[in-house]
Amino acid sequence: AQTVTQSQPEMSVQEAETVTLSCTYDTSESDYYLFWYKQPPSRQMILVIRQEAYKQQNATENRFSVNFQKAAKSFSLKISDSQLGDAAMYFCAYRTLYNNNDMRFGAGTRLTVKP
Amino acid sequence: DSGVTQTPKHLITATGQRVTLRCSPRSGDLSVYWYQQSLDQGLQFLIQYYNGEERAKGNILERFSAQQFPDLHSELNLSSLELGDSALYFCASSVGSGRGVGDTQYFGPGTRLTVL
Repeated sequence: AQTVTQSQPEMSVQEAETVTLSCTYDTSESDYYLFWYKQPPSRQMILVIRQEAYKQQNATENRFSVNFQKAAKSFSLKISDSQLGDAAMYFCAYRTLYNNNDMRFGAGTRLTVKP
Repeated sequence: DSGVTQTPKHLITATGQRVTLRCSPRSGDLSVYWYQQSLDQGLQFLIQYYNGEERAKGNILERFSAQQFPDLHSELNLSSLELGDSALYFCASSVGSGRGVGDTQYFGPGTRLTVL
């Protein structure tokens, strides 16, 4: 079974600085999707970024980018120019390519942004 | 705003009771997924419906059931409630069925259930 591990329960960053959140996963499949979701204090789950495993190029969405290392089964999220509004729980998620209902989430990393 | 709506936002009830949570997917999405987020179990997939039919089951208790109606909204029914059922219940929707190339799930704001 696929598992997702986020080894950092909590992280903090100074406003305007850069922070990287770690995620590793375990799978025997070659094709899959990876996601980062953000959950602010409002509790809404917000999609931050998505990566297809068959794409070598790392996904980027404005200040958010990923470092996808397929061989190492690593999928880290980099937040540049951190803003106070980035403070939230961040969840890494894995989904098989052909089974959308089998999405597994990590335990989450709580990010604090210091002014 | 993801376009997925959930009602109610908060629900407080007593043990042994039954409640119904409602979800309306994004316009055009045919799949609805239900998740439970509790402090000790994290985010757990419960069940998926696609175009009115049950497509997949995850860690859903027998006391829980769901359905998707012709207008594609979905309801999650929780019965014989226990203290441990207190959690945040999310609904998500996606365009596809999960068979073939998948698509992204967009989450609603959640329903906070408190069982006293």
